[in-house]
Amino acid sequence: GQQLNQSPQSMFIQEGEDVSMNCTSSSIFNTWLWYKQDPGEGPVLLIALYKAGELTSNGRLTAQFGITRKDSFLNISASIPSDVGIYFCAGQRPSRRGANSKLTFGKGITLSVRP
Amino acid sequence: DAGVTQSPTHLIKTRGQQVTLRCSPKSGHDTVSWYQQALGQGPQFIFQYYEEEERQRGNFPDRFSGHQFPNYSSELNVNALLLGDSALYLCASSLGRNLWLDTFGSGTRLTVV
Repeated sequence: GQQLNQSPQSMFIQEGEDVSMNCTSSSIFNTWLWYKQDPGEGPVLLIALYKAGELTSNGRLTAQFGITRKDSFLNISASIPSDVGIYFCAGQRPSRRGANSKLTFGKGITLSVRP
Repeated sequence: DAGVTQSPTHLIKTRGQQVTLRCSPKSGHDTVSWYQQALGQGPQFIFQYYEEEERQRGNFPDRFSGHQFPNYSSELNVNALLLGDSALYLCASSLGRNLWLDTFGSGTRLTVV
């Protein structure tokens, strides 16, 4: 089945540093999404990307939809302690009959920020 | 404005039993999706309900079934529980089938012993 690859499994950075995560797939997606999940909570949408090459920012977060439509990256600038959590990428492919299909999630990257 | 609410928050069941999980979508949303998140993994799509019908389904056996009610709330039923069904079950809602910007609930943690 479709798989989204996120690596490494964990990242450790110093407060104030920038960090970049990427997500790759062997399949083409027409939507890329980035989520953050805190312990005991559901994922929260950070950024949605709808067009190849699109670069979108949300505060200190910037994400890009790869031109090949098979990858995306998320960058967090000037990290702070509350950035700690699990970051998931998710992709969506079009289905038949015009309705968008299910989301496929990566396994996530656990980010730790040292004060 | 309440977001997606799920109940119960935690549940322990014995192998072979049946379980029902409940979800109320965010106000104004009419589509509910269910996901299974095993420990250390990303959410896996189970199925989506819209207009009280199952519209999309992931790679889950028939032991997993659901229902959507006229008020858009939904239930997930799992029969003949296996140890491997232990996971966080997430409900997500959205407006319309074509809008997949799901809002997720906090989930139900199911432990099968």
